[in-house]
Amino acid sequence: TQLLEQSPQFLSIQEGENLTVYCNSSSVFSSLQWYRQEPGEGPVLLVTVVTGGEVKKLKRLTFQFGDARKDSSLHITAAQPGDTGLYLCAGEDGNQFYFGTGTSLTVIP
Amino acid sequence: NAGVTQTPKFRILKIGQSMTLQCTQDMNHNYMYWYRQDPGMGLKLIYYSVGAGITDKGEVPNGYNVSRSTTEDFPLRLELAAPSQTSVYFCASSYGTGRSNEQFFGPGTRLTVL
Repeated sequence: TQLLEQSPQFLSIQEGENLTVYCNSSSVFSSLQWYRQEPGEGPVLLVTVVTGGEVKKLKRLTFQFGDARKDSSLHITAAQPGDTGLYLCAGEDGNQFYFGTGTSLTVIP
Repeated sequence: NAGVTQTPKFRILKIGQSMTLQCTQDMNHNYMYWYRQDPGMGLKLIYYSVGAGITDKGEVPNGYNVSRSTTEDFPLRLELAAPSQTSVYFCASSYGTGRSNEQFFGPGTRLTVL
């Protein structure tokens, strides 16, 4: 079993603040995905990173894949209430995906 | 284009009962997956399929069975339900792997075993 640890587990911040969420593993993954999940719904893909050291930007969200392809980070600039949700990382190994335990983010207006 | 659909949305089972969770996708995806999500946790892979007629076990397959007779459908069977199977079940599909591995998730089935 591949273990993906996310930190922090819970995060509550004021609108306009910046934050970083981490996803760490001792295993190497061929790709790593970040999803956001709203209550009562399935996860929705935000980004896929494949190459070690890869950085991708999606508006105010910046994703980075570690050089060794074992870890990743998600940075949100100037958080907004619409960013509230459960953020999940998922590592791909062969045809299987291993999900982290998630970071529950609340952005207070 | 409905994406991934799951039925039922909610179900309560008694210990020892059986049921089938239905999953259908209309995107002609090769890969399909079944996950379970326990409260406050991430998703755990139960079974997956890389194409019609091919299935394989994930992290937590015990107590479940699957079949993939068509590209569109990937039902999950629970035999002899146990309280430990109380969870939210998500079906997902994707076109391929690598940069084509975006998983599209269904809305989930919330199952309670009493």
